[in-house]
Amino acid sequence: QVQLVQSGAELRKPGASVRVSCKVSGSTLSDLSMHWVRQAPGKGLEWMGGFVPEDAETIYAQAFQGRVIMTEDTFTHTAYMDLSGLTSEDTAVYFCATAPSGWYNVARYYYFDYWGQGTLVTVSS
Amino acid sequence: DIQMTQSPLSLSASMGDRVSLTCRASQSISVYLNWYQQKPGKAPKLLIYAAFSLQSGVPSRFSGSGSGTDFTLTISSLQPEDSATYYCQQSYSTPWTFGQGTKVEIK
Repeated sequence: QVQLVQSGAELRKPGASVRVSCKVSGSTLSDLSMHWVRQAPGKGLEWMGGFVPEDAETIYAQAFQGRVIMTEDTFTHTAYMDLSGLTSEDTAVYFCATAPSGWYNVARYYYFDYWGQGTLVTVSS
Repeated sequence: DIQMTQSPLSLSASMGDRVSLTCRASQSISVYLNWYQQKPGKAPKLLIYAAFSLQSGVPSRFSGSGSGTDFTLTISSLQPEDSATYYCQQSYSTPWTFGQGTKVEIK
């Protein structure tokens, strides 16, 4: 059984950066496709990016290009999401989630099966 | 980007009712459509993947159907624990996008 445990809540000032971690147990990071999804207070879910095996690289949503970096430390089984240039609009709960894939016809489909508990990042002066 | 539109945005139904939630994609996404359930303060939970495949451990009262642009999540007999917000999500092309959610309440 895969478990994802995220780091605790963070408070940052506008313009600062934040790092959120996601520790994996029950599997190895190299066997997983890790992604990040965020949810602003009272709002819906927004995919930020993650490793897409079909592309063999980490793909970032355009909305976060240049501000986000997603990395993995396979030795400590921990994934990281670094977000810079924070504004109040980045106040949200950030989730890590694993995205296995399957095949339908000749293309892969993906879905988020295991999720971390979420990390609240508050951006306020 | 592919836009996902859910309807209704909220509904209230009685225990035992059959409930259908709709998700429409702005372009054809084949069957690359997933459904999640989220309760307040919790992470989303996968219910259905690839339009109609039931995730292991999810009660059989949940089912998914559809392909192309129109999809449906059906709860065959609504239970009190089904009170939650339900999201659809496409994985046809990046950026993977979610619908805005349907909030289901029990009368």
